[in-house]
Amino acid sequence: DTGVSQNPRHKITKRGQNVTFRCDPISEHNRLYWYRQTLGQGPEFLTYFQNEAQLEKSRLLSDRFSAERPKGSFSTLEIQRTEQGDSAMYLCASSLEDNEQFFGPGTRLTVL
Amino acid sequence: GQSLEQPSEVTAVEGAIVQINCTYQTSGFYGLSWYQQHDGGAPTFLSYNALDGLEETGRFSSFLSRSDSYGYLLLQELQMKDSASYFCAVRSNTGFQKLVFGTGTRLLVSP
Repeated sequence: DTGVSQNPRHKITKRGQNVTFRCDPISEHNRLYWYRQTLGQGPEFLTYFQNEAQLEKSRLLSDRFSAERPKGSFSTLEIQRTEQGDSAMYLCASSLEDNEQFFGPGTRLTVL
Repeated sequence: GQSLEQPSEVTAVEGAIVQINCTYQTSGFYGLSWYQQHDGGAPTFLSYNALDGLEETGRFSSFLSRSDSYGYLLLQELQMKDSASYFCAVRSNTGFQKLVFGTGTRLLVSP
């Protein structure tokens, strides 16, 4: 399978703990995006990488969130001191062109 | 800011045609995309319009009117498997590549 993969698929954590998610994009895609989706809503943009450079970050992304793409391939999204409001599906997408983004299956985070 | 409006739910029967509308407000505009998402699944790309007019891809077509800030997705010969949520999304010049999604339209196809 050469699609976008994300790990873990599910994460349950206690409030205050740190969590890290991983995204492996389609291999030739230089663009990588993170989105967050809550029930009944559309995906909400978090951040964008072109190769290893983080070119855009949503103002909604508090300083508890950090993302990296150190070698321009896989990416990690870390949430520090999780809060119950962080519970959501975290989606990663990658693309080669402007028009189409390929989404991974997501990581569902539950903060207790 | 940016905002998109879609109907929350649409119902139709197998074999029918359904149109899902999307109106948007954005500062700067590059194009309108449509994505399909089944329950528990990832969004998958359906179509993209950067210019006015109709784009056809099999049973699905998408239309854009930039002057009206309006677009629609047309689904023909509906099948049960088309039951899903459909999101319109805009690319704007306020961000490099980010998509701003609407809240989605849930399509229920019945036999």
